[in-house]
Amino acid sequence: SYELTQTPSVAVAPGRTARITCGGDDIGDKSVHWYQQKPGQAPVQVISFDSDRPSGIPERFSGSNSGNTATLSISGVEAGDEADYYCQVLDANTAKYVFGPGTTVTVL
Amino acid sequence: EVQLVQSGGDLVQPGGSLRLSCAASGFTFRSYWMTWVRQAPGKGLEWVASINQDESNTYYVDSVKGRFTISRDNAQNSLYLQMTSLTVHDTAVYYCARDTIGGSGSFTHWGQGTLVTVSS
Repeated sequence: SYELTQTPSVAVAPGRTARITCGGDDIGDKSVHWYQQKPGQAPVQVISFDSDRPSGIPERFSGSNSGNTATLSISGVEAGDEADYYCQVLDANTAKYVFGPGTTVTVL
Repeated sequence: EVQLVQSGGDLVQPGGSLRLSCAASGFTFRSYWMTWVRQAPGKGLEWVASINQDESNTYYVDSVKGRFTISRDNAQNSLYLQMTSLTVHDTAVYYCARDTIGGSGSFTHWGQGTLVTVSS
């Protein structure tokens, strides 16, 4: 089965850029979606199809995907960006949707 | 405005059954794939099941196959998850989510979540 890997945690100072990576075999051949989840809340999609920002998501959020790594970048990090972030793909070979284990972003 | 309002979560004994509901509004429900995702306490997100527009295609994570059934009623703009033979490992917050028209796995909108607790 297809598996995704994520660094468990990332700490970043306010105003700096947080980079959250998502690893998988040839993930560059798949579309990667990213979700933000704050404690006690439902997930919110922040990036779709590798790099598209849904309506209402700040331009500070951006995504890229190539080779075996997809990356979610958050520039000008704010305290309100503290959350868990999950990457997700569709494994078309098995028709299963796969989430990464999540990365906790802490703003110092 | 797209809204997904969930109901049905409860405390149930191991071996029991439960049906979750997700009422959709603000979009043409019959045009979209729909999905259930769950999150066990303190854990990450886990995809559970997905269904296409006319119920001709349904997909499940292996751990629930044969026990859970995803269905929909397009006339009622509602999505369901029938859960049977529940175990403690099914304890989680369950979310419904809207996918794309093509079922590409981009979950653009989510319900508020409903808690299912399996315990004796």
